[in-house]
Amino acid sequence: EAQVTQNPRYLITVTGKKLTVTCSQNMNHEYMSWYRQDPGLGLRQIYYSMNVEVTDKGDVPEGYKVSRKEKRNFPLILESPSPNQTSLYFCASSLRGMGAGNTIYFGEGSWLTVV
Amino acid sequence: GESVGLHLPTLSVQEGDNSIINCAYSNSASDYFIWYKQESGKGPQFIIDIRSNMDKRQGQRVTVLLNKTVKHLSLQIAATQPGDSAVYFCASNDDMRFGAGTRLTVKP
Repeated sequence: EAQVTQNPRYLITVTGKKLTVTCSQNMNHEYMSWYRQDPGLGLRQIYYSMNVEVTDKGDVPEGYKVSRKEKRNFPLILESPSPNQTSLYFCASSLRGMGAGNTIYFGEGSWLTVV
Repeated sequence: GESVGLHLPTLSVQEGDNSIINCAYSNSASDYFIWYKQESGKGPQFIIDIRSNMDKRQGQRVTVLLNKTVKHLSLQIAATQPGDSAVYFCASNDDMRFGAGTRLTVKP
């Protein structure tokens, strides 16, 4: 089954404790992306990757890092989490990212709380 | 910068009625649009898409209309059902930005 898998789905952590949210897709997609979703603000893009070893900042990259060493994986790293990073995070992928026909597939989301 | 946004944050309809969710976009160069449905506790799921060379596209109970003159698209859901209750997002595939979404609530 084609899917985007995120882990963990739920996490409560403390300020400053580094954490990684993993994302994996099994569709051989070139494009992967991370979004955060906050009430009233919709989905905001954090980082995206057009292909292996190619990553770019989205609209809200501050406080986050990503890496794309393999095509299927695109982890989101919070080096020193802060309470304003409490949010619902979505990983997404598509065949080639932009352009017609490139449907984006989303993971189930990761609820992150930073206390 | 360019953005895709939705007109109304909430919409409440009676079961069986038709629903219309609206979306405005600002980039006249956008050539592909997608509607997503996000149910509570789940990630957004693809519903229907439309290319800029079309004015209308129909799915099973959904229709998307595109008006390039005023840079507006809408999602019409026929005979709305309780299972249609969700947040709906539109996005253009040139930059994959999403608006805040419209929450559709279907009253029995």
